[in-house]
Amino acid sequence: EVQLLESGGGLVQPGGSLRLSCAASGFTFSSYAMSWVRQAPGKGLEWVSAISGSGGSTYYADSVKGRFTISRDNSKNTLYLQMNSLRAEDTAVYYCAKIIPNCSSTSCYMDYFDYWGQGTLVTVSS
Amino acid sequence: QAVLTQPSSLSASPGASASLTCTLRSGINVGTYRIYWYQQKPGSPPQYLLRYKSDSDKQQGSGVPSRFSGSKDASANAGILLISGLQSEDEADYYCMIWHSSACVFGGGTKLTVL
Repeated sequence: EVQLLESGGGLVQPGGSLRLSCAASGFTFSSYAMSWVRQAPGKGLEWVSAISGSGGSTYYADSVKGRFTISRDNSKNTLYLQMNSLRAEDTAVYYCAKIIPNCSSTSCYMDYFDYWGQGTLVTVSS
Repeated sequence: QAVLTQPSSLSASPGASASLTCTLRSGINVGTYRIYWYQQKPGSPPQYLLRYKSDSDKQQGSGVPSRFSGSKDASANAGILLISGLQSEDEADYYCMIWHSSACVFGGGTKLTVL
């Protein structure tokens, strides 16, 4: 059974830092790209970042580029999101999600999110 | 202008059909994109429903009933999620999504009320 368990959320002051973790189990972690998606209270979904299975390729939303860093440790089956220079508008539940690839004969692309964690709440406030 | 625009709310009666639209920004051609749909109920993470690009390129999520289907309206530059035979359990928020320029984009979501 696929499980994704986020941790590391909490209350942080504006300008502060936080590192989120997502422990994965039930699948071959290194074979799948992973992503972070957030949802501000009462608002819609916002994609944050994604990383390839090897960790060699990373992608970011413009709203977090230069402040957040996605990484993974395939030996620990864990995904991370390092968040620096946090702002009030970063307040949200952060979900990690597993990405199913779409592969042709020559290449693979990120397709859809098939499993999501339950999320961890990050609150940025003084 | 947002990349993906969804109506904020929609109401429909049990047993009826509901058509949820996802309009792509002008200049972004719906014909070239796979449109993904997710359902989210209060207090839970989103769940994948289906993907639709064309009748030859579509995919239903695991365990998703066939009364959920996708289509496109090229004239409106929009993706459509059609839910037939509405049930009370279909009351939820629905989000469309695309991959655009190596980034994932979600629509603002539609709150579907079944009453």
